[in-house]
Amino acid sequence: GQSLEQPSEVTAVEGAIVQINCTYQTSGFYGLSWYQQHDGGAPTFLSYNALDGLEETGRFSSFLSRSDSYGYLLLQELQMKDSASYFCAVRGSGNTGKLIFGQGTTLQVKP
Amino acid sequence: NAGVTQTPKFRVLKTGQSMTLLCAQDMNHEYMYWYRQDPGMGLRLIHYSVGEGTTAKGEVPDGYNVSRLKKQNFLLGLESAAPSQTSVYFCASGSIREGSSYNEQFFGPGTRLTVL
Repeated sequence: GQSLEQPSEVTAVEGAIVQINCTYQTSGFYGLSWYQQHDGGAPTFLSYNALDGLEETGRFSSFLSRSDSYGYLLLQELQMKDSASYFCAVRGSGNTGKLIFGQGTTLQVKP
Repeated sequence: NAGVTQTPKFRVLKTGQSMTLLCAQDMNHEYMYWYRQDPGMGLRLIHYSVGEGTTAKGEVPDGYNVSRLKKQNFLLGLESAAPSQTSVYFCASGSIREGSSYNEQFFGPGTRLTVL
């Protein structure tokens, strides 16, 4: 089976840096994705890591260590609009594109 | 492009009633998915499709049926609604880039269903 763990809530102040961790257990690994969801709206794709290391996209970066079954999402220069839920997801086995999602981390950015 | 659209946006059902949720995408994606999201929880896969005319079960398929008669549409049916099916339902579509394992899913705005 596959399972993911991430913290349920994180709080940070505007302008700060925050890291959201994700550990996973999978029978086969095909990459770790991150999605953002505002107030129950449509989740939107943020990043994807298939190989170890850091991927940077603007203020957001995502890191993967396959040997540790661990990844994180790093948000820099936090803005109020970054308050949202963040989900890590692993791609399921087989060529189906299925994603198994973690339960999500609610990030609250305070002034 | 409209992306992924879902109808209806809201619905209230009584226990035992049936309904169909419609998902449409205009991105020519092969793969489509139905998820449910309950308060404080992540997205759980109900059913999915890897192409027109094909469907498969996800993590929580019981009580639901699906059909993909056309590539752009993916229907989710509840034959006899139960209060446990009160949830927000998201449809998504995606494709896997040739030569890589990269896949990105595009989500619709969701359908908020309450079963009384």
